[in-house]
Amino acid sequence: RKEVEQDPGPFNVPEGATVAFNCTYSNSASQSFFWYRQDCRKEPKLLMSVYSSGNEDGRFTAQLNRASQYISLLIRDSKLSDSATYLCVVNTYNAGNMLTFGGGTRLMVKP
Amino acid sequence: EPEVTQTPSHQVTQMGQEVILRCVPISNHLYFYWYRQILGQKVEFLVSFYNNEISEKSEIFDDQFSVERPDGSNFTLKIRSTKLEDSAMYFCASRTTGTVTEAFFGQGTRLTVV
Repeated sequence: RKEVEQDPGPFNVPEGATVAFNCTYSNSASQSFFWYRQDCRKEPKLLMSVYSSGNEDGRFTAQLNRASQYISLLIRDSKLSDSATYLCVVNTYNAGNMLTFGGGTRLMVKP
Repeated sequence: EPEVTQTPSHQVTQMGQEVILRCVPISNHLYFYWYRQILGQKVEFLVSFYNNEISEKSEIFDDQFSVERPDGSNFTLKIRSTKLEDSAMYFCASRTTGTVTEAFFGQGTRLTVV
């Protein structure tokens, strides 16, 4: 089983749509979780951290379910500029504070 | 805004040659990382570095690879004898201590081995 697993997509959605991505992780010792965004041939950039109680940042909402070991990202009112690859990232403290990346989910928002 | 800087942005090298990829992490950060991403594939962990030593490394990080923090600012990745399959984007990242802080990534060095 992959350590961090995501549906690669692509998710093709019209502008204004709501889209949700899920991510599962296998290491129950993982302690912190992030969503990063990566544009083509660019570095990953933090979109948002994921907190146990769930958190929202504008159009973006992240949820964490520790019991089921999955993380979700919801994007409301999609914009063309949201087109990117969304990376689920898991931090495991007892592995040298290593960040493990999922394979990413590609989102394409169309006019 | 502080940022992680990497040089060069693109390096072309012949198979069997040694390359050194350079990174300047954000100055008050304590954890440093190298990741690589082969074109079209996922971001893969290579090594983490804390308190002047390697804290974790992956199976990819074999004897051909080494890291150094030669002074207070630079963090380097050396590949001793490059192979064709080492062609990838190499990202350096840094973060402050603690498990909940984000990692900041440099813009990457594209390594092409010919």
